[in-house]
Amino acid sequence: AQSVSQHNHHVILSEAASLELGCNYSYGGTVNLFWYVQYPGQHLQLLLKYFSGDPLVKGIKGFEAEFIKSKFSFNLRKPSVQWSDTAEYFCAVNRRGSYIPTFGRGTSLIVHP
Amino acid sequence: DTAVSQTPKYLVTQMGNDKSIKCEQNLGHDTMYWYKQDSKKFLKIMFSYNNKELIINETVPNRFSPKSPDKAHLNLHINSLELGDSAVYFCASSQTGSIEAFFGQGTRLTVV
Repeated sequence: AQSVSQHNHHVILSEAASLELGCNYSYGGTVNLFWYVQYPGQHLQLLLKYFSGDPLVKGIKGFEAEFIKSKFSFNLRKPSVQWSDTAEYFCAVNRRGSYIPTFGRGTSLIVHP
Repeated sequence: DTAVSQTPKYLVTQMGNDKSIKCEQNLGHDTMYWYKQDSKKFLKIMFSYNNKELIINETVPNRFSPKSPDKAHLNLHINSLELGDSAVYFCASSQTGSIEAFFGQGTRLTVV
C-alpha cells in the first residue's frame, strides 16, 4: 500500500524566514502529487499539484514544490513566509489512474510576526 | 456558489445517538468521498463512491453507512455514536480523469 510521510510535524518560523516542508511517498509507480493547506477552522485548499512535465511546480501564494523522482519526494518551499501562512499543510499522493488521494499526517506551521 | 457543501458544520451529540451528515457538490463530478480527520489532524479515507456505487470502503465500523441518492450527494449516517467518533469529517469530490479533489468545509462532530 502506498504511504505518504511528512517528517516535520510542527514548524515554527519568524516572518520572512524561508520554508521547506518535506514529503516522501512509498509508491513506485507513476503518481500525481499535491500539497493542500488548511487554514485554522477552514477546509482544505489546493496549493499546487504535479502530474507531469516540469518537476518544479509553482502554486498559489508564492509556494512551489519540486518533484524528485529518484528520491520519491515532493518538498514544499516558500522563500519568505508571512504570518498569514500559519496553517496545516498536507502532502497527498494518488496513483496515476486512481483518483483517491492518500494524505500525509500534515505539518503544522506557525509563523510569528 | 459553494462547490462542495456539508451540513451541519458543527454537531454535538450524546453517545448512542444516530446522526447524519449531508454532502452535496455542484461541480458535476462523478466521484465523492468521505474523509475523517482525527485530533492529530490525520486525514484518512473512509468511503468513496463513483457514479453512486461504492468503490472504496476502508476499515470503518459498520455503524457508519454512506448513502448516495444521486451523483451530487453523498450522505454519511452514523449509528450508535461513540466518543471515539469525535472528529472532523470532510466530504470531497472529483471527476474521473482529473487528478484534483475538491473538499467541503468539514463537519466537526463532538460526541459527549
